[in-house]
Order: sequence, then C-alpha cells, then structure tokens
Amino acid sequence: GNSVTQMEGPVTLSEEAFLTINCTYTATGYPSLFWYVQYPGEGLQLLLKATKADDKGSNKGFEATYRKETTSFHLEKGSVQVSDSAVYFCALKKVGYSTLTFGKGTMLLVSP
Amino acid sequence: EPEVTQTPSHQVTQMGQEVILRCVPISNHLYFYWYRQILGQKVEFLVSFYNNEISEKSEIFDDQFSVERPDGSNFTLKIRSTKLEDSAMYFCASGLDVPTNEKLFFGSGTQLSVL
Repeated sequence: GNSVTQMEGPVTLSEEAFLTINCTYTATGYPSLFWYVQYPGEGLQLLLKATKADDKGSNKGFEATYRKETTSFHLEKGSVQVSDSAVYFCALKKVGYSTLTFGKGTMLLVSP
Repeated sequence: EPEVTQTPSHQVTQMGQEVILRCVPISNHLYFYWYRQILGQKVEFLVSFYNNEISEKSEIFDDQFSVERPDGSNFTLKIRSTKLEDSAMYFCASGLDVPTNEKLFFGSGTQLSVL
C-alpha cells in the first residue's frame, strides 16, 4: 500500500538557518506529492506540490523536488524565520484519486 | 480566503457515548473528507464523500462511524458509541476537484477526548 515517512521532530533551528525536512514515500505508480503546513490553532494548508518526477514545487521560499529514483520529496528552505514555526506534513495522492496519504508530521521550531 | 469551519474545537465525552463532530465546508466545494490524527501518529484517512454519498472509506471507518450532509452546508461525522481509542484530532476537509490535484482545504480540527 501507499505510505509516507517523515523525519522525526521537533526540528529546532535559529532564525536564518537552512532547513531540510526529509520525506520518503512508498507507492505504486506515480503519485502526486504534497507538503502541507499547520500553524498553531489553524488547519492544514497546502504549501507546495509536485505532480511528476523531477518537478520542483515552491512557495514562500520553500522548495521540494520530486525524486523518483530515491522516492523522496524533501522540503528545504534557505533561511527560516520565526514565523515558519509550524508542523509540516508530507503527503501523496494517486493520480485520479482524491484521498491523501500523510506522514506523521514534523514540528519545526525557529528561535530568534 | 474562504475557510472550512469545525465545531467544537474540543469535545470531551464518556466512553460509550455518541458524539457528532460538525464541519461547514467551503460553499462551492464538491469533495468532503474526514481525517484523524491520534497523538504521535500519522494523519489517517477516514472517509470521503462526493455527490451525496460515501465514495471511499478506510478500515477505521467501521459501523460505529457515519457521515451526513443534511442540509447542503454542514458535513457531520457521528461516532455512535465512542471508545478510548477514538481519542484523536479530527480534521474535516473539502475541495473543488481533488482528483485533478486541486487543493484540499482543511479545518482547524476537533480534539476529541474519550474518558
């Protein structure tokens, strides 16, 4: 079946540090891949997505590249801000289906 | 931006009691979902609803669970007889055309505690 594995959190960084949150997946075929973010007290929001191999999704300074050969979709940001503190969820969806498969989520804490 | 609204934000109930979790999806959306996250575990899919019927459900969604869209605006999840292991954060989500990768909009969740 489909599954998503994320690195364990919390990830604690100082402002302006480089961020990587690892995500690997197991799926049949070629799923679409997503990163969702949940800020405190809010719902999950789509951060970025990629729908085919070698696609790069990007938004708000965050990037992730769909790597089919390593079945990975790692989230990166060059310089984090305190306002990036949130829980980040990696997810996949089979093309043509509507159900998302999520990872556990990784909490990011950024200090000034 | 339009929002998915969930009520209540916290619900405490006794084991064996019925609970109804309520959601107001975004008004023109067509696909509706419930997901849940037990503390420390993955966000798990429960059920999807499209065209006024369940389109998919997971193994978790057994006979104790039901969903309704009674009036074209609300989308409810009922747990008939709660168990301790039903304690989790329950997320409602909606989308316009999710199979073609249109994004899902999530509510902020209802934290259900079964005592």
